[in-house]
Amino acid sequence: EVQLLESGGGLVQPGGSLRLSCAASGFTFSRYAMSWVRRAPGKGLEWVSGISGSDNTYYAGSVKGRFTISRDNSKNTLYLQMNSLRGEDTAIYYCANHRRGSYNDAFDIWGQGTVVTVSS
Amino acid sequence: DIVMTQSPDSLAVSLGERATINCKSSQSVLYSSNNKNCLAWYQQKPGQPPNLLIYWASTRESGVPDRFNGSGSGTDFTLTISSLQAEDVAVYYCQQYYGGPLTFGQGTKVEIK
Repeated sequence: EVQLLESGGGLVQPGGSLRLSCAASGFTFSRYAMSWVRRAPGKGLEWVSGISGSDNTYYAGSVKGRFTISRDNSKNTLYLQMNSLRGEDTAIYYCANHRRGSYNDAFDIWGQGTVVTVSS
Repeated sequence: DIVMTQSPDSLAVSLGERATINCKSSQSVLYSSNNKNCLAWYQQKPGQPPNLLIYWASTRESGVPDRFNGSGSGTDFTLTISSLQAEDVAVYYCQQYYGGPLTFGQGTKVEIK
């Protein structure tokens, strides 16, 4: 069964850091582009960051310079290192698989999400 | 960045009636190499992750009921639910994957009238 399982969310103070993980199973992880997408309370979906199968990385302007996406194909795991966190980063963070493996394709598999709360 | 704008923000439709959601992109998302539009539609129910309904603007994902249909090209797209069912109550999003930062519409909330 194809599955994505996020972890690492929690409560952090403004200016703090968190690292999210997404464990993948049921498909050849290394061949697929992956992304992080978030949904803030009362807001819509926002793409955050993506990484291709060849490790090209992409970021939304709102997180560029603060967040870093990476992957460990030996562990079938996607990461999001989040630094200098702000209140507006409070959201449910989902990892998602790009169908057919290409960065320029829709998201066909989603994890259940992990909650990040930035508050003092 | 490509801006995606959905309309309406919300709509209430009677059971069995048609629901129509529009999505407009700030520039064309037609991919010249395959002549396909890089446009997807997702459904998100409360407490659940999004679910892919349609990709390439009009291709239904496996397992999606045939009452969900996508159409349009270039910059203007539509998701139609031909006969609304109770389980279709959700927020619907369009998304472009043509290039640059991947972007979503703001969402359309569909309710039962």
